[in-house]
Amino acid sequence: EVQLVESGGGLVQPGGSLRLSCAASGFTFSSYDMHWVRQATGKGLEWVSAIGTAGDTYYPGSVKGRFTISRENAKNSLYLQMNSLRAGDTAVYYCARTTVERDFDYWGQGTLVTVSS
Amino acid sequence: QSVLTQPPSVSGAPGQRVTISCTGSSSNIGAGYDVHWYQQLPGTAPKLLIYGNSNRPSGVPDRFSGSKSGTSASLAITGLQAEDEADYYCQSYDSSLSASVVFGGGTKLTVL
Repeated sequence: EVQLVESGGGLVQPGGSLRLSCAASGFTFSSYDMHWVRQATGKGLEWVSAIGTAGDTYYPGSVKGRFTISRENAKNSLYLQMNSLRAGDTAVYYCARTTVERDFDYWGQGTLVTVSS
Repeated sequence: QSVLTQPPSVSGAPGQRVTISCTGSSSNIGAGYDVHWYQQLPGTAPKLLIYGNSNRPSGVPDRFSGSKSGTSASLAITGLQAEDEADYYCQSYDSSLSASVVFGGGTKLTVL
């Protein structure tokens, strides 16, 4: 059974940093592109970052230069290093897997990040 | 503002058919990128509902169907049931700016 379990969320002050983790199981982690998607309370889904099987990374303009996605295939783990956090980064952060058709076929349960003083 | 435009809400009575539209542009849906749909029940993570414009993952009832034409896509739900009340999101890819993955703003389906 495919499982994605996020951790590392919490309360952080504006300007602070946080590192999220996503533990994957039930599939060959190294063979899949992985993503982070976030959702502010009562709002829609927003793509945050992606990492390919070769380690290539992608970001939207809203987080580029502040967030860094990485993976450790030996540990079946995905990470998101978030720096210079802002109030607008407050959201539930989901890790998700994409297929060759580039749909998100599995999602974690999410971890809440709150940026507030 | 989301790159893909969805109606904020739709509603229907049990047993009825509803459709949710997803309008994009020449840099995403119109460029030939596939559209995928997700269902999000309250307090839960999104769940893949339709992939590759019109394909259903195993376990998704055939009451759900998807289509794509030009710069738009649609999700249709027939035989509406109370358990279908949820938020629905479309997703595609975009070749412009720095955004690769794009989502619609979401549509709240209310079963009357």
